[in-house]
Amino acid sequence: EVQLVESGGGLVQPGRSLRLSCAASGFTFDDYAIHWVRQAPGKGLEWVSGMSWNGGSIDYADSVKGRFTISRDNAKNSLYLQMNSLRPADTALYYCAKVGGPDALDHWGQGTLVTVSS
Amino acid sequence: DIQMTQSPSSLSASVGDRVTITCRASQTITNYLNWYQHKPGKAPKLLIYGASSLQSGVPSRFSGSGSGTDYTLTISSLQPEDFATYYCQQSYTTPWTFGQGTKVEIK
Repeated sequence: EVQLVESGGGLVQPGRSLRLSCAASGFTFDDYAIHWVRQAPGKGLEWVSGMSWNGGSIDYADSVKGRFTISRDNAKNSLYLQMNSLRPADTALYYCAKVGGPDALDHWGQGTLVTVSS
Repeated sequence: DIQMTQSPSSLSASVGDRVTITCRASQTITNYLNWYQHKPGKAPKLLIYGASSLQSGVPSRFSGSGSGTDYTLTISSLQPEDFATYYCQQSYTTPWTFGQGTKVEIK
């Protein structure tokens, strides 16, 4: 069974950093791209970032470009999101999701909540 | 960036009703269009990929159609478990973008 489990969320002050993790199991992790999607309170889904199976292709939403960095460790079946210079607008539930074919997010984790507030 | 516009933003329907949700892209996306169902407190669920392909395990009352810039999600006979928010999403080019969502509520 495919499982994605996010962790690392919490309450953080504006301008500080946080690192999210996504632990994967139940599939061959290094065969698939993995993405981050977030949902701010009362809002819709927003794509944040994505990384190809080998890290050769990386993309970011304009809203996080230059502040967030996605990475993966295929040996640990894990994906990460380093979030720097956090803003209140980054407050959201952050999901990691696996890309199936063609280019759809076919499995999602339950999310980890990030709250940016002083 | 490609903008995705869903309509309506919300709708009220009864069990057994046929429901249609539309999604328009700001430029052609060549069927790189996916539909998701999202319930509160749950992970989003992929329903349709590639505009019209049903994801494994999804009931056949869900169907997708469209081409170019205009796409549709249809639920042929609404069931109690279908009350949720539905999102379209384009994967034609990065940044991937979602529609604003359509909330399907009980009438």
